Amino acid sequence: SQTIHQWPATLVQPVGSPLSLECTVEGTSNPNLYWYRQAAGRGLQLLFYSIGIDQISSEVPQNLSASRPQDRQFILSSKKLLLSDSGFYLCAWTGGVQLAKNIQYFGAGTRLSVL
Amino acid sequence: EDQVTQSPEALRLQEGESSSLNCSYTVSGLRGLFWYRQDPGKGPEFLFTLYSAGEEKEKERLKATLTKKESFLHITAPKPEDSATYLCAVQALLASGTYKYIFGTGTRLKVLA
Repeated sequence: SQTIHQWPATLVQPVGSPLSLECTVEGTSNPNLYWYRQAAGRGLQLLFYSIGIDQISSEVPQNLSASRPQDRQFILSSKKLLLSDSGFYLCAWTGGVQLAKNIQYFGAGTRLSVL
Repeated sequence: EDQVTQSPEALRLQEGESSSLNCSYTVSGLRGLFWYRQDPGKGPEFLFTLYSAGEEKEKERLKATLTKKESFLHITAPKPEDSATYLCAVQALLASGTYKYIFGTGTRLKVLA
């Protein structure tokens, strides 16, 4: 069966520090991968999605970037964090069989606090 | 503009008091509608996917239905462990042939013992 791992679970970082959040999927190949940010009382905001290695699309201009160094690994980064980067970050994947291909499955999330 | 609206924002029920959550959407090229359950501090957990108007899915005390403009999540005789935020999302097909997922802001459900 497929599983998605996301870490760390919580992170407290000072303003201006770098960021690296990691997400890996097991039990499948060539998944579509997504990074979302969830703010309190607001819906999930899509940040990046990737349909393959070296194929990453950005949805929202910001100081964040994403990379996919391996087929099942997706990394969210920043060189200098802003206070506004605080939030709950979620990684998700799609790519199951048949009709289930379009179901998004989510990781446990990372709570980022920028102080 | 593609949009997903969920109502109510919050709902308090007594244990055993059945109710429905609403998800209305305006989107062109709907490919699927999804319901998720999210517990505090956790990632959303997939519940149902619906693909066409008239379709229904059930799981324990939950039943999801779909029309051309909205979806309902019916909760029958809820228990305190059903307390969570329920998210609705739609998958829309873009003219480019790719697709995107649009999420509502969720309904926070609290079931009192």
